[in-house]
Amino acid sequence: SYVLTQPPSVSVAPGKTARISCGGDNIGSKSVYWYQQKPGQAPVLVIYYNSDRPSGIPERFSGSNSGNTATLTIARVGAGDEADYYCHVWESGSEHRGVFGGGTKLTVL
Amino acid sequence: QITLKESGPTLVKPTQTLTLTCTFSGFSLSTSGVSVGWIRQPPGKALEWLALIYWDDDKGYSPSLRSRLTVTKDTSKNQVVLTMTNMDPVDTATYYCAHSPSYGDYFDYWGQGALVSVSS
Repeated sequence: SYVLTQPPSVSVAPGKTARISCGGDNIGSKSVYWYQQKPGQAPVLVIYYNSDRPSGIPERFSGSNSGNTATLTIARVGAGDEADYYCHVWESGSEHRGVFGGGTKLTVL
Repeated sequence: QITLKESGPTLVKPTQTLTLTCTFSGFSLSTSGVSVGWIRQPPGKALEWLALIYWDDDKGYSPSLRSRLTVTKDTSKNQVVLTMTNMDPVDTATYYCAHSPSYGDYFDYWGQGALVSVSS
C-alpha cells in the first residue's frame, strides 16, 4: 500500500518560516491534505486539495505538491503553531482508502 | 453546524469485539458525495485511517485491518457504527469519526475522539 514519509520533527524560530515535507511515490499526481493536531485535541484540517485553505485558517498556511514531495509551509511562525502536523492522501484504485503520514512535530524555539 | 461524537466502551478485554457509534448532526449521510470515516491514534503515535462509509453505502477499509472491521450506517438516526473484532492491547487508541464532504477525500470535521483501552 501507499506510504507517506514525514520528518519526525521540525524546529523553527518565532517569526520564521516552517516547511514540513511529505514524501510519497509520485505524490504530485494525488491531492494532499494537511491536519494540525495540538495535544489532547482532535486534528484540524489546514490545507485541502494541495493548497486550498478552509475558512478560518490563516493565510500564513500554504501548501504545494510536485513530484515525490508535498510541502506544508507556515510563514511567520508563532508559539500557537506548535503542534503535530499530518499529511493525508486518498489512495486511488479499485478500493477506497486513505493514508496518513507518520506526523511531524513542529517546535517553535 | 456540523458536529460528530463518538461513543462506546472505554475498556474492552482481549479477543472481545469493539462497537463504536458516531452520532452526528448538521449534515445528512444520504447527500451525494458525503461520507463518514474512522481514524484511530494510539497514545503518542500517528493517525491511522481505518474505514469509510459513503452516502450510497459503499465502503472502504484499511487493508491491514479489513478482516476485523465492519462499518454500517443508520441514516434515520444520523449514526455510523464501527465494529472491530478480536481486540488486542495494541488496538488501544483514541478512535475518531470524521465527516468528509467530497467522496472521502479529506476530513473537514472531526469528533472529539473516544479513548478505548484493551486490557484483561
